[in-house]
Amino acid sequence: DAKTTQPPSMDCAEGRAANLPCNHSTISGNEYVYWYRQIHSQGPQYIIHGLKNNETNEMASLIITEDRKSSTLILPHATLRDTAVYYCIVGLSNYQLIWGAGTKLIIKP
Amino acid sequence: GAGVSQSPRYKVAKRGQDVALRCDPISGHVSLFWYQQALGQGPEFLTYFQNEAQLDKSGLPSDRFFAERPEGSVSTLKIQRTQQEDSAVYLCASSDLTRIDRRTRYEQYFGPGTRLTVT
Repeated sequence: DAKTTQPPSMDCAEGRAANLPCNHSTISGNEYVYWYRQIHSQGPQYIIHGLKNNETNEMASLIITEDRKSSTLILPHATLRDTAVYYCIVGLSNYQLIWGAGTKLIIKP
Repeated sequence: GAGVSQSPRYKVAKRGQDVALRCDPISGHVSLFWYQQALGQGPEFLTYFQNEAQLDKSGLPSDRFFAERPEGSVSTLKIQRTQQEDSAVYLCASSDLTRIDRRTRYEQYFGPGTRLTVT
């Protein structure tokens, strides 16, 4: 079973920030939080990952709560091309990640 | 640069046929993963290679599934006597655990997948 809980779907207006929540209440101390996305008919694409500290890269920001039981992926200025299924995954390394069903994010013009 | 490629992109097989799915990882990537993705679900881990060694095959659903990576680069996933429940997208991913850069060490690069339909 997936170790994370995500809403099945979300909408966001184009140009606004998209905030995707993820609960991982059973995360252990040395497990990372990974985010991938999958655009329709393509393979998944890595976005970002973190352990304890918040992380930012050119694609997104990852905010992890102090107790590490939840996190939020932030796409600062969503575009139509960000429409995809977003997966939040918890694992010890990038080996044998257990994926859930993800959040289908729809960006609306 | 070239990413992960998979072939064929689409495969239709009659029940009972054997199929072979090919994955060409990014050159030099040590790790290679196979996943099965059913419609509307996230990918499910099948097996993991480090170079030519198959370190984990715990996700293979039955002994009809077999994967190999004989020279540590190209990998083949073979399914014998296909069943309808084998219909899915089969994804291959590679990563380079030797990279010092933190992001690239932990990032899996996925191919486009092979959609297998068993009729």
